[in-house]
Amino acid sequence: QSALTQPASVSGSPGQSITISCTGTSSDVGGYNYVSWYQQLPGKAPKLIIYEVSNRPSGLSNRFSGSKSGNTASLTISGIQAEDETDYFCSSYTTSSTVVFGGGTKLTVL
Amino acid sequence: EVQVVESGGGLVQPGGSLRLSCAASGFTFSSYWMHWVRQAPGKGLVWVSRINSDGSTTTYADSVKGRFTISRDNAKNTLYLQMDSLRAEDTAVYYCARAGSGRGNFDLWGRGTLVTVSS
Repeated sequence: QSALTQPASVSGSPGQSITISCTGTSSDVGGYNYVSWYQQLPGKAPKLIIYEVSNRPSGLSNRFSGSKSGNTASLTISGIQAEDETDYFCSSYTTSSTVVFGGGTKLTVL
Repeated sequence: EVQVVESGGGLVQPGGSLRLSCAASGFTFSSYWMHWVRQAPGKGLVWVSRINSDGSTTTYADSVKGRFTISRDNAKNTLYLQMDSLRAEDTAVYYCARAGSGRGNFDLWGRGTLVTVSS
């Protein structure tokens, strides 16, 4: 199972919106609405921020939103802040009943 | 407090074995599917294995199939990962993760335990 494809890095100025893409195949991203996104601060465990393409866990900021079109899912962070600068990973359930992650994207707040 | 805490990591020689444990507390462990996810130093996340709530169903990534065994003891609220025939490429932080709603997402993670395979 090949990893999902994410850009290695994205950047934006405070207050801007950024979007991170996550491209898979019809066997994972395109086949199910089971795409998730995680935020990982340095030295910390990942934190779930989006599940089932566009759902936010309770209490999470509505600045984070998710969507999907075909084999590509997207995470949008609106009004980015310095505290958002870290790594983001997507994942998807697959037709093999496994889970595949993306390679990760580093967000830099300029 | 709702949490999972991993233990059992360490330095092991290639070809050796190690058993990781994950102690759960603050929630009804026996109701949840559980997973192991690993992350090599400076690299991305890689899913390793999953087990259903009563331990009757397991699934593995191709890279560990036949070498790793996931299991659980619901009476002890503990998840395990038995790792045999270890290779240098198995070096990683291993995270225990609780399955969230739906499929393929993890809503509770531990801090991880580092496994280093080296001679």
